[in-house]
Amino acid sequence: AQSVTQLGSHVSVSEGALVLLRCNYSSSVPPYLFWYVQYPNQGLQLLLKYTTGATLVKGINGFEAEFKKSETSFHLTKPSAHMSDAAEYFCAVSAEGNTPLVFGKGTRLSVIA
Amino acid sequence: DSGVTQTPKHLITATGQRVTLRCSPRSGDLSVYWYQQSLDQGLQFLIHYYNGEERAKGNILERFSAQQFPDLHSELNLSSLELGDSALYFCASSVSGILTSSGNTIYFGEGSWLTVV
Repeated sequence: AQSVTQLGSHVSVSEGALVLLRCNYSSSVPPYLFWYVQYPNQGLQLLLKYTTGATLVKGINGFEAEFKKSETSFHLTKPSAHMSDAAEYFCAVSAEGNTPLVFGKGTRLSVIA
Repeated sequence: DSGVTQTPKHLITATGQRVTLRCSPRSGDLSVYWYQQSLDQGLQFLIHYYNGEERAKGNILERFSAQQFPDLHSELNLSSLELGDSALYFCASSVSGILTSSGNTIYFGEGSWLTVV
């Protein structure tokens, strides 16, 4: 079975500061990893995904994530936070892409002016 | 706009009642997934249908059932509702049930807010 742990239910950063949202996964088979963002009163929007190949994945809105197998991690980063980045972020895993997504509990990102 | 349409957006009902949530997937998508989002449980996978057939079941209660129709829309039926069933119910769709590197992605609707009073 797969599982995802997101460290920190709430992260607060200053505008222009680095954003780092942590995600660790557990999977007995090669994982497919995803980051989704949820803005208030909206559905989930895909930010980026890792399936195979290059371990550094670039997504929308300047976000990127790096798959580190040795650390079972898939942390999400953005060099400079913008006020519009304030939202809930979810990391998810699928076993080899053959199983439905299993989500972490989510991390709420606040951006302070 | 993801292209996944869910109705109703908001629903308030009493304990013991039954409701039906409807989902229209993106054009061309054969897979439909249902998720429940609550404060205490987070995002929980309920069930997956592919081209009308059930593919996988998650933490779906026996009081809940779902189906996918020939036109590929799906319905989630919730019966004997309890206060704890209050949640945001998401439908998602993808072209197939396999998230290959060729670009198959799961797209989420905006959800149906269910409040049980």
